[in-house]
Amino acid sequence: DSGVTQTPKHLITATGQRVTLRCSPRSGDLSVYWYQQSLDQGLQFLIQYYNGEERAKGNILERFSAQQFPDLHSELNLSSLELGDSALYFCASSVRTSGRGTDTQYFGPGTRLTVL
Amino acid sequence: GDSVTQMEGPVTLSEEAFLTINCTYTATGYPSLFWYVQYPGEGLQLLLKATKADDKGSNKGFEATYRKETTSFHLEKGSVQVSDSAVYFCAGPSGGGADGLTFGKGTHLIIQP
Repeated sequence: DSGVTQTPKHLITATGQRVTLRCSPRSGDLSVYWYQQSLDQGLQFLIQYYNGEERAKGNILERFSAQQFPDLHSELNLSSLELGDSALYFCASSVRTSGRGTDTQYFGPGTRLTVL
Repeated sequence: GDSVTQMEGPVTLSEEAFLTINCTYTATGYPSLFWYVQYPGEGLQLLLKATKADDKGSNKGFEATYRKETTSFHLEKGSVQVSDSAVYFCAGPSGGGADGLTFGKGTHLIIQP
């Protein structure tokens, strides 16, 4: 158990809909990351938050957004869903931010999103 | 941007065989490098890391040495077990001042008894 929790575990929805994925980082970790894992794209970094502020963006679509709340939990919002958004979405956390990717990231169990 | 390339599987070995999974990276400077493991139905777990050139990471019998001359971080284990069956990912920073990681495509390892 990494200490990172994600809800829900599974999510099934239809094209065009909007969903919210939730992540609670390990106690004491200030940085939260979101990743997408799909068969065709592999594991891709989407976005990072640090202590409530957006820190860096990866390959995140404009239809996707995230935020980190004062209690440090984070939510990833996916809107206008398409079939190709079906994937595993992972949240990870680390203690701090270095800008060089040196901190160990601890991953949650993931949310499996299926868009029908 | 920074990138990681790893051998793709599946790799099938017999129990007690020697394992090598190749990983090479391209990056600016000498970033930290990681090996993560994903067991079926689970999230990624950190297996080992190295933070500088010639650094060796080790855990659970697995080792990887960060070699800047060959820009490699190959994963090795002397004697694999059935319980090592999983998908292994090599990873490094995505670059551009971000802490997000860029991952290789993953290597599915199957150990047969």
